[in-house]
Amino acid sequence: GENVEQHPSTLSVQEGDSAVIKCTYSDSASNYFPWYKQELGKRPQLIIDIRSNVGEKKDQRIAVTLNKTAKHFSLHITETQPEDSAVYFCAASSYSSASKIIFGSGTRLSIRP
Amino acid sequence: NAGVTQTPKFRVLKTGQSMTLLCAQDMNHEYMYWYRQDPGMGLRLIHYSVGEGTTAKGEVPDGYNVSRLKKQNFLLGLESAAPSQTSVYFCASSYEAGSEQYFGPGTRLTVT
Repeated sequence: GENVEQHPSTLSVQEGDSAVIKCTYSDSASNYFPWYKQELGKRPQLIIDIRSNVGEKKDQRIAVTLNKTAKHFSLHITETQPEDSAVYFCAASSYSSASKIIFGSGTRLSIRP
Repeated sequence: NAGVTQTPKFRVLKTGQSMTLLCAQDMNHEYMYWYRQDPGMGLRLIHYSVGEGTTAKGEVPDGYNVSRLKKQNFLLGLESAAPSQTSVYFCASSYEAGSEQYFGPGTRLTVT
């Protein structure tokens, strides 16, 4: 079946450094790629998303890049802060079908002071 | 606006018991979803609905049933609970298929 692979599963970075999380997907029909942040004991919340007609999108310290040919997309967080510590999930989905959303297994990001 | 709410927050069931989880949203969204979240496995789609009166199977539908009698509510039922259904269940809603999903606070279910 279709799947989304997310790496790494855990990531520890020094405060102020950058963090990169990578995802690959298998369904070529995927055209919407959101990233969700989940703090401990809380609900997932969208932090940034990208659509297949765009290669890169940035929102302050967060950016996402998409390579449709390689079926690969990445989350980049710059100047990391303690409040960035959380689990991050990527997902691949399609405008045309609600059933086609597949989440990655998550990355636990820890920011060292 | 309350956004997406779920009841109950916690529940412990014995094997074979039944229960219903309720999800409500006040954003007038057409799409609603039920996911389960297990350690190391991300979120897996159980069932979803694209509008009032409609339901469809997701990735892991076995052992669950759903109903969407009103646009704002999406119910998830377990007819005969099994220990393998111990999980955290999240409901979500969205305006359309390829758009931001808004999640509820989750329900932690333990089946003994």
